[in-house]
Order: sequence, then structure tokens, then C-alpha cells
Amino acid sequence: AQSVAQPEDQVNVAEGNPLTVKCTYSVSGNPYLFWYVQYPNRGLQFLLKYITGDNLVKGSYGFEAEFNKSQTSFHLKKPSALVSDSALYFCAVRDLSGGSYIPTFGRGTSLIVHP
Amino acid sequence: DTAVSQTPKYLVTQMGNDKSIKCEQNLGHDTMYWYKQDSKKFLKIMFSYNNKELIINETVPNRFSPKSPDKAHLNLHINSLELGDSAVYFCASSLGAGKSYEQYFGPGTRLTVT
Repeated sequence: AQSVAQPEDQVNVAEGNPLTVKCTYSVSGNPYLFWYVQYPNRGLQFLLKYITGDNLVKGSYGFEAEFNKSQTSFHLKKPSALVSDSALYFCAVRDLSGGSYIPTFGRGTSLIVHP
Repeated sequence: DTAVSQTPKYLVTQMGNDKSIKCEQNLGHDTMYWYKQDSKKFLKIMFSYNNKELIINETVPNRFSPKSPDKAHLNLHINSLELGDSAVYFCASSLGAGKSYEQYFGPGTRLTVT
């Protein structure tokens, strides 16, 4: 079975500070991991994914995520937050080694960047 | 140049009515999905089609019926609408059914049942 957890419902950060949105996963085999962002009244937008290779993945809008197999984590990061980064962020996982090809989404983390 | 589009954007209707939501993607993708997002923003997969064939049908009341006339379109018809059907419905597509493919979402249809 595949599952993903986003332990924080909300993350608050000041503009210009670094931000981290946490995600941990559980799979039987190896994971494919994804981050999506949802702005108010919009659909989800793909940010980045980890399939294989370099543990540090770079994505859209200056975001990056670090795959850590030992900690089963895939935290989303950005060195300097913008007010316009305020949105709902979803982590998703697929188990490479079986199970449904439909990704399992986390419950979402609301990121609020204060001016 | 919209990649995944849905119509209508808003849908307000009364209990017992039948309604449809349309979805089109111009990305040339083979796989399409319907998701339901509840008031707490939780995303639930409803259906998935690959090359016009239904491949995923989660535990969804049979009042919900998807239809894919071609690879670029996936429509959702809902019979006998209930209050609990109120939610935002998202259509999505991906290049294929492979697990490495990311999904592209439409803007959503906010359904309100009164």
C-alpha cells in the first residue's frame, strides 16, 4: 500500500525567509514522488517530481525538494519565500513496485507568506 | 491556450436533478481522470480512463457515470443529485498510465446542490 503524510496543516513564514513544507511517505518498493500547488479557486499545478537519480530535484517557481530514502521524506523547499507563494501544497506518491497507478495525495499544507 | 478545460466553472442545482460536467484536454495525453475535492480540500479519485477505456472506478455511487467519447474528452454525468455531492470536481490528464507521469489539472467545477 502507498500512503503519504503532510504533518502540518499550515506553515507560516515571513517573506524573504526560507520555507519548508514537509512530506513523508510509505511504499512497499521505491517511490515516485510529486509536489503540486493549488492557488485559490484554481486547479492543482505540477511543481516537481522525483523519479530516480539526484536526490535534490528542482522545479517551477524556484522550488526544490529533497528525497531522503532513509527518512522516507520528500520535503519541499524554497530559499526565499514570496507573498505570491501563499497557496495550498500537495505531496503525492506512487509505489513503483505495485499497487494502483493512481497517486495517493496528502491532505495538503496551507502555506502563508507574510509581507 | 488552455491545456485542460472544464465547463461549467460553477454549477448550482437542486436535489434530484441530473447534471453533466465536460472536460477537454489539448495536450495529446492518453489518460484522463476525475477527482472530487471536498470542503476540507481532500482529493479523492473517482475515475480514470486510458485511451477511452475505463481503468479505474473507485467506490463511487452509480449515480455518477463517466463517458469518454475520445481521448481528448472525459465527461461526468451525475443523476439524482444529493446534498453530499456538493464539492469541487477536477478533471486531470497525464501522458499515459505510467507511474512516472505527472498530472495536469483543469480549473475545477464547483457544484452546489441545494
